[in-house]
Amino acid sequence: QSALTQPASVSGSPGQSITISCTGAISDVGGYNYVSWYQQHPGKAPKLMIYDVSNRPSGVSNRFSGSKSDNTASLTISGLQAEDEADYYCSSYTSSTTLVFGGGTKLTVL
Amino acid sequence: QLQLQESGPGLVKPSETLSLTCTVSGGSISSGGYFWGWFRQPPGKGLEWIGTIYYSGSTYYNPSLKSRVTISEDTSKNQFSLKLSSVTAADTAMYYCARSLKEAFEAFDIWGQGTMVTVSS
Repeated sequence: QSALTQPASVSGSPGQSITISCTGAISDVGGYNYVSWYQQHPGKAPKLMIYDVSNRPSGVSNRFSGSKSDNTASLTISGLQAEDEADYYCSSYTSSTTLVFGGGTKLTVL
Repeated sequence: QLQLQESGPGLVKPSETLSLTCTVSGGSISSGGYFWGWFRQPPGKGLEWIGTIYYSGSTYYNPSLKSRVTISEDTSKNQFSLKLSSVTAADTAMYYCARSLKEAFEAFDIWGQGTMVTVSS
């Protein structure tokens, strides 16, 4: 299975909004509404931020939102804050009943 | 609340088998509807899914690792385990165990702190 495609890095200033894309195929992202997004700070375990494309787990800020169009899912962070600086990973269920991750995107808050 | 803790050797020799255990506290791995997963992250690189076991015992593996991976559960000890055979330096990574949201194969909301495994002679 091929990894999902994410930009290596994105950046934004405090208060701005940024969007991270995650491109797959009809066999994963495009075929199912089972895309998740994780935030990972250095030296820490990943934290689930979005699941099933656009749902937020309890306790996750509503500044985080997810969407999907065709084979590309997106994570949008609005009102960017310094603590949002982290690595972000998307993952998707696949038609082979497996999971595939994106390569990760480093978010820098300027 | 539910907590997960990985344990196992931090150093494994090439060609040997890596064995890790995830001990679950604050809840039961037999609780219906949850998936229990193993993940890894080589130093400076991205996350990789290794495999998952459902509460019923069904297992699912990353195709690229399937020939070398076994995930099992021990409900009496409230643990699930990972065995990865014939390891090489490429298997050096931080290994995480995690639990999914209920009936959500792809969404893991509770993670262990991770354990670093180095493959070296």
